[in-house]
Amino acid sequence: EPEVTQTPSHQVTQMGQEVILRCVPISNHLYFYWYRQILGQKVEFLVSFYNNEISEKSEIFDDQFSVERPDGSNFTLKIRSTKLEDSAMYFCASSEGWGVAGVGEQYFGPGTRLTVT
Amino acid sequence: AQSVTQLGSHVSVSEGALVLLRCNYSSSVPPYLFWYVQYPNQGLQLLLKYTSAATLVKGINGFEAEFKKSETSFHLTKPSAHMSDAAEYFCAALENRDDKIIFGKGTRLHILP
Repeated sequence: EPEVTQTPSHQVTQMGQEVILRCVPISNHLYFYWYRQILGQKVEFLVSFYNNEISEKSEIFDDQFSVERPDGSNFTLKIRSTKLEDSAMYFCASSEGWGVAGVGEQYFGPGTRLTVT
Repeated sequence: AQSVTQLGSHVSVSEGALVLLRCNYSSSVPPYLFWYVQYPNQGLQLLLKYTSAATLVKGINGFEAEFKKSETSFHLTKPSAHMSDAAEYFCAALENRDDKIIFGKGTRLHILP
């Protein structure tokens, strides 16, 4: 069964450093998402991406964050200058989008645990 | 704004007993509703989804959920718990054609032998 993959599974970085989290969505999916889950808190939406541009973003997704689909298979989340409070599990998701049958399911990857020290 | 509330951050049931995980949503317009499960060190897996086709939704692993508009609820049940059901369960909602899923805080299900 096709699945979303994410690398690395765990990333440790120092405050102020740039990190890039990588995701490979399911190949025929058109919509891509990043969510994050701070330890002990709920999963929060960060950004959605369609047709090579951001379609929606949350208040969390400030100028320190950016997303890119550099080629036909990868979808990346970059944090330009990490802060301690960026420590969280980051989930990538993809979906076929809204079709005739209604809402398309978002398939989630296993997550990347980011630890900022 | 839409919000999803899960009652109980931890629920413990005995193996073989009924599982009931509670979820309420806030929207006045019924949203699309989901239950996701997260096993340790794994991603979020969709258990089931409500898309207005039927109020009782059956999912994987013997789970089902009933949408009750009058109660704005979407509780998850399983008649007989199994040790392998131990995991974190998230209720979530998607409003109309919004692009983002709103998650509840999650309920960790513990199964007692």
